[in-house]
Amino acid sequence: QVQLQESGPGLVKPSQTLSLTCTVSGGSISHGSYYWSWIRQPVGKGLEWIGRIYFSGSPDHNPSLMSRITMSFDTSKNQFSLNLSSVTAADTAVYYCARVPIGSGGYFFDYWGQGILVTVAS
Amino acid sequence: IVMTQSPATLSVSPGERATLSCRASQSVLTNLAWYQQRPGQAPRLLIYGASTRPTGIPARFTGSGSGTEFSLTISSVQSEDFAIYYCQQYYSWPPLTFGGGTKVDIK
Repeated sequence: QVQLQESGPGLVKPSQTLSLTCTVSGGSISHGSYYWSWIRQPVGKGLEWIGRIYFSGSPDHNPSLMSRITMSFDTSKNQFSLNLSSVTAADTAVYYCARVPIGSGGYFFDYWGQGILVTVAS
Repeated sequence: IVMTQSPATLSVSPGERATLSCRASQSVLTNLAWYQQRPGQAPRLLIYGASTRPTGIPARFTGSGSGTEFSLTISSVQSEDFAIYYCQQYYSWPPLTFGGGTKVDIK
């Protein structure tokens, strides 16, 4: 059974960079059958797709965030990461990592991490 | 593509049937998924391809529709079904987009 777990600081200062890591267990992130994504949810609000990464391809980002996003892999640790630069209070949210099964006919999320609350405040 | 869900809140009694709606601002064919989010938990995939249930999802959850109009029906609402439900299109991206959610609560 695959499991995803987000980790990182729960508090980030405005204008700094938010850095999160998702550790995957129960399967290899370089397997090739999955994309790996980030989604966020401001507290009490809806879901916003941030972007996705594939172990051998270029990442895709939400255009509204694209200039601030960097995503990367660490296959040795079976992890993938998100960096979001120049954060403001509007970036305060629960951040989820999730898996997308390739070849299933679409881009939906079949496994999610439990989420991590990141607050942007001084 | 903008996804609009209705109603915002649906009050039902346990055992009743619940029907949730999701409308796309343009056709997404059947490239639509539904998720359930219980309080304090991550979303859980309920339906993909507009009508396909992943392994382990109870048969009381049924998805239907195509193009711009979709629905999720819970045939007999159980206590564990009181949650927020989101639809998501994956026909045209970036960006992938979600609806604003429908909260199913106890009547």
